[in-house]
Amino acid sequence: DAGITQSPRHKVTETGTPVTLRCHQTENHRYMYWYRQDPGHGLRLIHYSYGVKDTDKGEVSDGYSVSRSKTEDFLLTLESATSSQTSVYFCAISLRAGAGELFFGEGSRLTVL
Amino acid sequence: AQKITQTQPGMFVQEKEAVTLDCTYDTSDQSYGLFWYKQPSSGEMIFLIYQGSYDEQNATEGRYSLNFQKARKSANLVISASQLGDSAMYFCAMRALVGETSGSRLTFGEGTQLTVNP
Repeated sequence: DAGITQSPRHKVTETGTPVTLRCHQTENHRYMYWYRQDPGHGLRLIHYSYGVKDTDKGEVSDGYSVSRSKTEDFLLTLESATSSQTSVYFCAISLRAGAGELFFGEGSRLTVL
Repeated sequence: AQKITQTQPGMFVQEKEAVTLDCTYDTSDQSYGLFWYKQPSSGEMIFLIYQGSYDEQNATEGRYSLNFQKARKSANLVISASQLGDSAMYFCAMRALVGETSGSRLTFGEGTQLTVNP
């Protein structure tokens, strides 16, 4: 158990509203990631973090921002949600510095109407 | 840029038989890692097996083995003696080793839905 908690697990919102998803870890791991999963696309990296206040973009970062003000929390924000952002969002951590497999949270299902 | 291709959207296998799930990759990196994940209908992502590009032997983990053919850029997952609980979506993924700040960013394929029939 890598100690990853995502919240909320399910959310329905309307187009144009802001949404924040939270990823919390209990093990002080340096690297954290946000992925989205969509049918026909597998999982795609949105943003990742390699330390407090250190973040970088992934391949599908448009429309998303992230923040990491402390080691245990990595927040994903949709400033103005769109229907194309309806997806399942996974947070992940890597246990070994800069290497190794990813361990995933349980996912957050977001529906934008 | 890296790319993972899984050409089998769905696969069917009889219980107790072996099955191979295909994965090909494209990269210009010399050093990289290959992963397989399982996603059951409950939705969680479960790490199965890892192969490093410099590993000379194919990785094995219990009933899972990774058939790594570097020259052909393939990393197929072999599941021996399939069980009903193996029914799930399977994802192949790849990581380039490009520096400390990159962490373990993975590029995923689209997945293969495996159904094990009794």
